Formats: sequence, structure tokens, C-alpha cells
Amino acid sequence: AQSVTQPDIHITVSEGASLELRCNYSYGATPYLFWYVQSPGQGLQLLLKYFSGDTLVQGIKGFEAEFKRSQSSFNLRKPSVHWSDAAEYFCAVGPWGDKIIFGKGTRLHILP
Amino acid sequence: DGGITQSPKYLFRKEGQNVTLSCEQNLNHDAMYWYRQDPGQGLRLIYYSQIVNDFQKGDIAEGYSVSREKKESFPLTVTSAQKNPTAFYLCASSMGQGSDIQYFGAGTRLSVL
Repeated sequence: AQSVTQPDIHITVSEGASLELRCNYSYGATPYLFWYVQSPGQGLQLLLKYFSGDTLVQGIKGFEAEFKRSQSSFNLRKPSVHWSDAAEYFCAVGPWGDKIIFGKGTRLHILP
Repeated sequence: DGGITQSPKYLFRKEGQNVTLSCEQNLNHDAMYWYRQDPGQGLRLIYYSQIVNDFQKGDIAEGYSVSREKKESFPLTVTSAQKNPTAFYLCASSMGQGSDIQYFGAGTRLSVL
């Protein structure tokens, strides 16, 4: 069955440090992969997506993600985080029929 | 501005009461979705609709109902049968394929009085 796992519920990094958020998936074919960000009390905003082609994907706000088929992973990275990056991050995979499946999210905390 | 509008932002339900959450989009998207978000649970799909006058149950449809009479509108009713309705509800829309990007509204927080 298709699934998405975000192993880290919470991650804390210092401002200016690098960031990597993990996402692993189970899917029978080449998936479409997404990363979304959610600020407290708000909806989700798409950071980046992978459909095909180059496995290193650039997104908004300086984020990137790399699709690694052999590891069934799509980890999100940022070289230097800012206090405004504190939020919850969701990985998603599809299609699953007419739907996509979301992970349970990773909450990012930034230390000043 | 194109986007998805959810209203109200906060909603309170009394015991035994049905309440309706509004979701309107002006993106001309065919597909619309309702998700429920609880802390640590991620997003769980309640209902979705790929076309006007048609909708399908998601993973947690019990205690909820929807309608899709217009392309731009997809209201969600939380019925009295939903015994634990306190949650953050998110509406989304997409062009129509399961692989399409979903665009989200700002959410409605529902609490029980």
C-alpha cells in the first residue's frame, strides 16, 4: 500500500544552520512528490514538486529536495534557515487514484 | 486575486447541532477536497469531488456530508453524528488529476461548546 513517512515529528535547528527534513515513501511506480509548508493557523503552501526529470528540485524560499529512487526518499533541504522558516512541513506522494497522501508532518523550531 | 476562501475562520458547535463550513474557489479548478487536521495526525481526507454533482468519500467520511452544486463551491457539513468534531478543517482544490498540485484555503477551526 502507498504510504508516506516523516520520521521526525519535531526538529530544532539554530538560525543560520543547515536543514534536512526526511521523507520516505512506499509507492508501486515512480511517484509524484510534493513538499508543503504550513504556518500556524494557516493553510498549506506548496514549496516544491517532483514529477519527472532532474532529481534535484528547486523550490521557493531557498528550499530544495532530492528524489532518490533507490532509497525511496525525497528529503527537503535548506543551506541556511531563517527564523521565518519555523513552521510545519508536510511531504506528500501521489497519485493514488484521484488523491495524494500526506505524511504526518515535521514541526521545525528555530533557535535564535 | 485567485484563490480559495474558507469561512468562517472560527466556528463553534453545540451538542446535537449541524454546522456547515464554506469553501469557495475562483481558480476554475475541477477538483475540490476537504481535509481534517488534528495535532500529530497530518491531513486526513474527508470527501473530495472531481466534478460538479459528484463526490466521493475519503478516509474519514463518517459524520460529514458535502454537496457540489457549483464548480466553485464545496461546502462541508459536520453533522451531529460526528462525535469528535473539534479540529482544523482545510479545503483544497486542483485542476483535477490526482497528481495535480493542490491549493489550500486558510482553514476553519471548529470547536465544541
